[in-house]
Amino acid sequence: GNSVTQMEGPVTLSEEAFLTINCTYTATGYPSLFWYVQYPGEGLQLLLKATKADDKGSNKGFEATYRKETTSFHLEKGSVQVSDSAVYFCALTPNDYKLSFGAGTTVTVRA
Amino acid sequence: DGGITQSPKYLFRKEGQNVTLSCEQNLNHDAMYWYRQDPGQGLRLIYYSQIVNDFQKGDIAEGYSVSREKKESFPLTVTSAQKNPTAFYLCASSMGTVNQPQHFGDGTRLSIL
Repeated sequence: GNSVTQMEGPVTLSEEAFLTINCTYTATGYPSLFWYVQYPGEGLQLLLKATKADDKGSNKGFEATYRKETTSFHLEKGSVQVSDSAVYFCALTPNDYKLSFGAGTTVTVRA
Repeated sequence: DGGITQSPKYLFRKEGQNVTLSCEQNLNHDAMYWYRQDPGQGLRLIYYSQIVNDFQKGDIAEGYSVSREKKESFPLTVTSAQKNPTAFYLCASSMGTVNQPQHFGDGTRLSIL
């Protein structure tokens, strides 16, 4: 079946630190991969996506590269801000429209 | 602005009571979804609908029911058969075609009185 495994949190960083959240997946075929972000008390917002191998998704300083050889889609940001404090979800959709989510990683950035 | 509206933001249920969560979208999306989120866990799919008057069970449909009479609306009823309903419920929609992202509402938090 399809599944997503994210690194466990919580992750606590200082402002301007480098952030990496690991995500690996298991899927049949060639899934599309997504990162969503959830701020406290809100729904999920699409952060970035990649639809084929070696694609790099990027948005708001965040990046993730679709690595088929390692079945990974790690999220990175070079210099985090307090406003980046949120829960981050890795997700995939195989060749249809349903999403499978990871458990989420809580990130807290301290000033 | 186009988006997804969930209401109410907070909801309380008494024992033996059915409650209905509203979800409306004006994105002209064909597909709509309901998820349940528990603390420290990812999202679990309750029901989804690809077109009007059609819907399918997700991974945790027991104790829930839905309808899809209009393209814009996909209400979720949490029935008395759902013994552990306390959770954050999220509605989403998408174009319904392959590999398209889902767009989410701001959620409804359901608690037991």
